[in-house]
Amino acid sequence: AQKITQTQPGMFVQEKEAVTLDCTYDTSDQSYGLFWYKQPSSGEMIFLIYQGSYDEQNATEGRYSLNFQKARKSANLVISASQLGDSAMYFCAMREFDSNYQLIWGAGTKLIIKP
Amino acid sequence: ETGVTQTPRHLVMGMTNKKSLKCEQHLGHNAMYWYKQSAKKPLELMFVYSLEERVENNSVPSRFSPECPNSSHLFLHLHTLQPEDSALYLCASSQDTDLNTEAFFGQGTRLTVV
Repeated sequence: AQKITQTQPGMFVQEKEAVTLDCTYDTSDQSYGLFWYKQPSSGEMIFLIYQGSYDEQNATEGRYSLNFQKARKSANLVISASQLGDSAMYFCAMREFDSNYQLIWGAGTKLIIKP
Repeated sequence: ETGVTQTPRHLVMGMTNKKSLKCEQHLGHNAMYWYKQSAKKPLELMFVYSLEERVENNSVPSRFSPECPNSSHLFLHLHTLQPEDSALYLCASSQDTDLNTEAFFGQGTRLTVV
């Protein structure tokens, strides 16, 4: 069974609008971390934001915020005021306490910002 | 230079060739990783080195051979590859392997096996 599910293979969003990228996860660990990365066409994975399973507040980093709903096991990425440069693949990933070395990745969402 | 640098950026090799991918990080990190990214598949972790010791080998075929001579450099030696090994190979590093530690990635090597 997939541990990280990103249900949106692709999204088109108008520039300056907010966008939500979905991510659900599956784990039996109580302690885990959730990450979002951005991969532009250049190939490099760029770290965006992190949420720990025990963090009580949703993580925020500039225009990025993570809508963490622990009971639903969802960790959606919200990008406010989207920009053309936000066009990229976005990946959700999880690290479980029992497997510290492994980042488990979703299949990604391709986001295209329209001018 | 800063960050994680991978060379070459593109590589085309025959199935009988031997080649090596190089990764270098200037971040002072203690852990380094090799990932394989194939089209329409999630990233697959191949190898993890922590303090120059290999700590994870995810059932990777022996035609892929990693080498970590020091904490700043990581190599992936390739020999007798198959066409299905064509993919983007990403190197990453992190300060440590703690739960909340983010990884920093290079731009990858686009490998085509012909």
